[in-house]
This record gives sequence, C-alpha cells and structure tokens, in this order.
Amino acid sequence: DAGITQSPRHKVTETGTPVTLRCHQTENHRYMYWYRQDPGHGLRLIHYSYGVKDTDKGEVSDGYSVSRSKTEDFLLTLESATSSQTSVYFCAISESITYNSPLHFGNGTRLTVT
Amino acid sequence: DAKTTQPNSMESNEEEPVHLPCNHSTISGTDYIHWYRQLPSQGPEYVIHGLTSNVNNRMASLAIAEDRKSSTLILHRATLRDAAVYYCILRARNSGNTPLVFGKGTRLSVIA
Repeated sequence: DAGITQSPRHKVTETGTPVTLRCHQTENHRYMYWYRQDPGHGLRLIHYSYGVKDTDKGEVSDGYSVSRSKTEDFLLTLESATSSQTSVYFCAISESITYNSPLHFGNGTRLTVT
Repeated sequence: DAKTTQPNSMESNEEEPVHLPCNHSTISGTDYIHWYRQLPSQGPEYVIHGLTSNVNNRMASLAIAEDRKSSTLILHRATLRDAAVYYCILRARNSGNTPLVFGKGTRLSVIA
C-alpha cells in the first residue's frame, strides 16, 4: 500500500470554526490531491498540487484553501467551516499526472460540521 | 476527458465471473481507459488501465471493444471482498496537468 496518512481520521467541529486536514506521504510523489465524497455526488476534486508551493483549483474549491510547503505534506484548510462541508475527504498522490500514472488514495477523513 | 456511462448497480454470485460494462462512445484515439474501485469505508484503489489491447493483471482483466467505444472489466471469480463501487475513467494521453475526474461508478454487490 502507498504510504499515505490522513489526519485526523474523524473530526466534529462547529460552524464558523477553522479546520485543517493533513495529508502526509512517504512516497516522494510530486502530485497530491484533495477530493471530497458525498452521497449522490461521488468523488469531486477540491484542489491539487503539482509540486512544492504549486497548487491549483478543482471543481469544488470555494471555501477551501491548500498549502504545500514540503513534498510530503499537503494541507487542506476550511477557513470557516459550514454544514455543507460535512463530507468524507480523501487525499491522493501520484508520481506523475500522465495517462499512465495511477492515483493512490488515503483512507479518508470524516468531517462533521454541526 | 471524454465521458463514460456505467450502470448504477450490478449483482453477482460469489465465485462466479463478473463483467462490468463501460460505454465511452466519444473516446478519442489518445484516451486511456482506467478502472478504479472503492471498497466500503476506504479510498479508491487503482485496478487496471489500457488503450487498445486487452489487459490482465492480478486483480482483473480489461476487455476493450475493437472500436474502443466500450470496455468491460472482468473479475474472474467474484469474492465478497470484491463488493465495491467500480469507476471507469478516460484519461487523455496529452491531459497535461488535468487530474482524474470520477463519475458515480457501478456499485457491485456480491451474494454468498
């Protein structure tokens, strides 16, 4: 299994509070991604990174920011959590972004915003 | 990336082969066909990918139609552990920095 650790695994927080989710990899892969998964919507890309300090938005980036100061860590921040951000968040990594390079996913963080 | 169409759900008996279909009628010549699956309470995992020829690995086989407008993921002997959501995704050879986009997939149930 690819070395991907997401923390925390579960979190409950209140509306309006900031939340940071962490993804840590030991594979030295260049590309890292944050997806969210909700019933009826499948997996949707929030943000991704193609190198240290290089990030870009996905299809559902509003309300989220990311940072990547080291190859191994990719942080997802909800500046002011809302109930619509209750979801399961998955981090993924890939060696490259070409057609031939598979994604490897972590086991997810379940976030509940009350 | 071009779009794929998969059945919402399928059912199989344990120890029987399973054929999971995927239609991709707008596929281009440089699109690769990728399959991922997601077991309950886990992140998705890569299964297999191919371009034109059929492909086999330890997890599954991928059969690609001659016109490439459809493909089939084959699990040779379904086990209870194969119950998952299976995603068929097209990935262009020249996709640049564009990440994978997942659809809703096919939910496979395996009956003992």
